[in-house]
Amino acid sequence: AQRVTQPEKLLSVFKGAPVELKCNYSYSGSPELFWYVQYSRQRLQLLLRHISRESIKGFTADLNKGETSFHLKKPFAQEEDSAMYYCALSSASKIIFGSGTRLSIRP
Amino acid sequence: DVKVTQSSRYLVKRTGEKVFLECVQDMDHENMFWYRQDPGLGLRLIYFSYDVKMKEKGDIPEGYSVSREKKERFSLILESASTNQTSMYLCASSGGGSKNIQYFGAGTRLSVL
Repeated sequence: AQRVTQPEKLLSVFKGAPVELKCNYSYSGSPELFWYVQYSRQRLQLLLRHISRESIKGFTADLNKGETSFHLKKPFAQEEDSAMYYCALSSASKIIFGSGTRLSIRP
Repeated sequence: DVKVTQSSRYLVKRTGEKVFLECVQDMDHENMFWYRQDPGLGLRLIYFSYDVKMKEKGDIPEGYSVSREKKERFSLILESASTNQTSMYLCASSGGGSKNIQYFGAGTRLSVL
């Protein structure tokens, strides 16, 4: 079965500390993976996708097919990174979302 | 810029009422989706549509129906609202060259009393 797992419901780190939001997936075939973000009082929006291989707002994510993971990382957290983050997998024009991780950056 | 507009930001309805949630997108996208968003459960797909007058059940279709009479509009219908349908409802669309990227509306927070 296709599934996206985000093991942490809440992650709290200090400003300036490194951040890693974990995401594991199960999928038969070549997956297309995404991270979506929802800031307070804003709509859910795409943060990055693995095929772009780019850094957005200092965040990067590497697809590790051996470990079936797509963890989101940032070396130095900023207060404006506080948000809800969803890992997602594309399957036949549908998106399968994980349960989300709330990231809280402490000053 | 893609615009996905949901007709209501907040709705309060009574148990047993028929409820319509409307969603309009302005990018000529083929695909439209309805999700509900609940804490700890993430986004769960209710229904989706690949084309006008076409609909497919998602993961939790029970108690819901949809209508897509025009390409830009996708309506979610609660035939007889129940308290367990109190939730945040998100509409999304995708299509064109980036069919795997979904664009979301601001959401409708529905309370069923």
